[in-house]
Amino acid sequence: AQKVTQAQTEISVVEKEDVTLDCVYETRDTTYYLFWYKQPPSGELVFLIRRNSFDEQNEISGRYSWNFQKSTSSFNFTITASQVVDSAVYFCALLNSGGYQKVTFGTGTKLQVIP
Amino acid sequence: NAGVTQTPKFRVLKTGQSMTLLCAQDMNHEYMYWYRQDPGMGLRLIHYSVGEGTTAKGEVPDGYNVSRLKKQNFLLGLESAAPSQTSVYFCASSYNTGSGGYTFGSGTRLTVV
Repeated sequence: AQKVTQAQTEISVVEKEDVTLDCVYETRDTTYYLFWYKQPPSGELVFLIRRNSFDEQNEISGRYSWNFQKSTSSFNFTITASQVVDSAVYFCALLNSGGYQKVTFGTGTKLQVIP
Repeated sequence: NAGVTQTPKFRVLKTGQSMTLLCAQDMNHEYMYWYRQDPGMGLRLIHYSVGEGTTAKGEVPDGYNVSRLKKQNFLLGLESAAPSQTSVYFCASSYNTGSGGYTFGSGTRLTVV
C-alpha cells in the first residue's frame, strides 16, 4: 500500500518569509514518482513538479525548490520570499510505476501568505 | 488549448436523482481519472480508465459508474445521488502516468440535498 502524509494542515506566513511544506511518503516499490500540485482559491489543480525515485537531485525553479531525500522518504517543497499569490492548498502525490497506475494524494497543506 | 473540460461546473441534486458528469480532453491522452475532493481528505480516486473501452475501480467507487466509449471522453454517473456524494469532482488525464503530471479539469461542485 502507498501513503502520502502532509502533517501540516495549515500554515500562515508573512509575505517575503520562506516556508517549507513537508511531505512524507510510504511505498514498497523501488520505482516511483513524486509530484506537487497547487490548488489556488479559484479551485483548479496545477501541476508543479515531478520527480522519479532514481533522481535525488534537488530542483530549483525560481522561488520554488524541492528537496527529495529517499533516506527519510520525504519530498519537501520550499517557497522562498513568499508572495500573496502563493496562497493556495498544496498537494503532494505519489505514483508507483507498476501495474495499478494511480496517483495517491496527500491531504494537502493550506498556505496563507499575509501581506 | 482547452486541455481537460468538465461539465457542468455546478449542480444541485435532490437525493435519489441521477446525473452524469462529462469530462472531455483534447490531448489524445490514454489515461483518464475521476477524483473527488472532500475537506481534510485530499483527492480520492473514484474510477479510472487506461484506454478507450476500459474502466477500473479506484479507492471509492461505490455509488458511481463510468464509461469510456470514446478516447476523449470519460463520463461519471451517479444513478441515485446521496448526500454523502456532495463533493468537488475532478477529472484528470495523462498520456502516460509515469511520464508527467496529470492535467486536471476545473472541477464540478456537486451538492446533494
